[in-house]
Amino acid sequence: SQQGEEDPQALSIQEGENATMNCSYKTSINNLQWYRQNSGRGLVHLILIRSNEREKHSGRLRVTLDTSKKSSSLLITASRAADTASYFCATDQGSGYALNFGKGTSLLVTP
Amino acid sequence: DAGVIQSPRHEVTEMGQEVTLRCKPISGHDYLFWYRQTMMRGLELLIYFNNNVPIDDSGMPEDRFSAKMPNASFSTLKIQPSEPRDSAVYFCASSLNAGGRDTQYFGPGTRLTVL
Repeated sequence: SQQGEEDPQALSIQEGENATMNCSYKTSINNLQWYRQNSGRGLVHLILIRSNEREKHSGRLRVTLDTSKKSSSLLITASRAADTASYFCATDQGSGYALNFGKGTSLLVTP
Repeated sequence: DAGVIQSPRHEVTEMGQEVTLRCKPISGHDYLFWYRQTMMRGLELLIYFNNNVPIDDSGMPEDRFSAKMPNASFSTLKIQPSEPRDSAVYFCASSLNAGGRDTQYFGPGTRLTVL
């Protein structure tokens, strides 16, 4: 079953703007991950944030985690057309061995 | 490293036929996962293996689905008999450590169409 739910389902912005995607989940987690999927391709890992972390950066990506609200956000700064993709959050199940993926946010960045 | 390799990339078959999807994980990875992706249901975990042993197959939809991992470098997902509702993209992924605590590396997927 899917635990993570991304919001919005679709997002359209122009190059140079920032894109923010949110993820909410239902039960406590150990880790939360964000993945990107380009059309017709497999998922690619972006960033992992642990439950005791509040914020993490990787290049133009910034991820926050609020365990009290059971939510996370992914911010892409200064977006580029190449950032056009679907973005998924994934949470680990209780055992920590597998991941539950949300249905994703479809991001379109226009030149 | 070549990454996770899946074959075939596309498969079109008729209802009732047997379908076998193949996966070669990244060398040295102890965990292998099979997922199915559809527009309606998103990405669903079907089954995963640890050191070639199936750990959790609760996501396998029906007895028509079976998966094996005869060795550390090869896994198959078989559907027999196939039905139109099995049409989806099937992904294989592998990770070095337990999936929740580590990066999962996905293959390019097999797009299955059952007519």
